[in-house]
Amino acid sequence: QKEVEQNSGPLSVPEGAIASLNCTYSDRGSQSFFWYRQYSGKSPELIMSIYSNGDKEDGRFTAQLNKASQYVSLLIRDSQPSDSATYLCAVNVGAGSYQLTFGKGTKLSVIP
Amino acid sequence: SQTIHQWPATLVQPVGSPLSLECTVEGTSNPNLYWYRQAAGRGLQLLFYSVGIGQISSEVPQNLSASRPQDRQFILSSKKLLLSDSGFYLCAWNWRYNEQFFGPGTRLTVL
Repeated sequence: QKEVEQNSGPLSVPEGAIASLNCTYSDRGSQSFFWYRQYSGKSPELIMSIYSNGDKEDGRFTAQLNKASQYVSLLIRDSQPSDSATYLCAVNVGAGSYQLTFGKGTKLSVIP
Repeated sequence: SQTIHQWPATLVQPVGSPLSLECTVEGTSNPNLYWYRQAAGRGLQLLFYSVGIGQISSEVPQNLSASRPQDRQFILSSKKLLLSDSGFYLCAWNWRYNEQFFGPGTRLTVL
């Protein structure tokens, strides 16, 4: 069973702080890693993708991947109340697979 | 640019009634298409995926079925709904190994 684990939270951070979201996965053959943001009652929205070890930055978001540790994280700098949402980690289920396995998500609350 | 549509947006159906949810994608050809269900307090569960017209793979045995009658159309159906079919149904697309993009979803309540 291919698994993606996330801390369900809620994770509360003050406005302006760095929010750190973590995800571990079980399949060593996974090659593609994604972070989605889901507001309550809405569909998931892709915010970051990462395919190789290291950091990838896009605006206030940084995705970090460590394949040896089977660990992927998302950092949100200068957190804003509008960042309050559930963040889903997704991993392709195996080498060459189109399918994604999703974690259950971490609920982030940014306190003004 | 590509857009993905789902309808209806919300649906309330009695137990035992049939179901048909539709998803269409614009602005791309030969996409991979996916149906997910998100039940309250649970993660996204992949139900079906399709890599081409008439090609459907089922991930979870259940009373749901899917069809892909056209390249950019994906339909989720049931002959008789169960209470446990309630949830948020999401259609998604991607092209090969790239990122998946989700439609707005259909919220189904079975009473």
